[in-house]
Amino acid sequence: EPEVTQTPSHQVTQMGQEVILRCVPISNHLYFYWYRQILGQKVEFLVSFYNNEISEKSEIFDDQFSVERPDGSNFTLKIRSTKLEDSAMYFCASSEVGTGIAEAFFGQGTRLTVV
Amino acid sequence: ILNVEQSPQSLHVQEGDSTNFTCSFPSSNFYALHWYRWETAKSPEALFVMTLNGDEKKKGRISATLNTKEGYSYLYIKGSQPEDSATYLCALSYNQGGKLIFGQGTELSVKP
Repeated sequence: EPEVTQTPSHQVTQMGQEVILRCVPISNHLYFYWYRQILGQKVEFLVSFYNNEISEKSEIFDDQFSVERPDGSNFTLKIRSTKLEDSAMYFCASSEVGTGIAEAFFGQGTRLTVV
Repeated sequence: ILNVEQSPQSLHVQEGDSTNFTCSFPSSNFYALHWYRWETAKSPEALFVMTLNGDEKKKGRISATLNTKEGYSYLYIKGSQPEDSATYLCALSYNQGGKLIFGQGTELSVKP
């Protein structure tokens, strides 16, 4: 069964360092998303990506964040200069026709710890 | 601010008990309401996507209903089993491709 895969599963980084979280969405899906969950809080939306561009982003997704789909298969989230408050579980998701109609398929997440 | 609320926050039941959780949301136009099951160390897995008032969906022992006019959805589990232990997430989408707005989840623990 097709699945969304994320790497790495855990990442520990020093404050101020750049991190890249990687995702391989399901191949025929058109919509791609990043979400995160800070421990004890709700899962919160970061960004959605459709037709090779950002379609929506949250207030969290400031200039320190960027996304790319460099080669038609990978979907990456970059945090340029990490802060302690970026520590969270980051989830990639994809949807065949968008979550207004169909389910999202989530990866297992990358646990990012900023020290 | 669009807010999705789930209750209860956690639930402990015995194997064989039937249980239900609630998802409450602003009663306004939205595209779809999603239910996800999230086991520890695994990815959230979709249970249902519902769009119409009065929708009822069923998958095995799990079913869900949607009332868009009063702004709630119920998830029911009949005859809970230990393998049903997970966090159940409700989320709303307000346009076709847009973000999901999640509730805080209901953590279910089923004891044998």
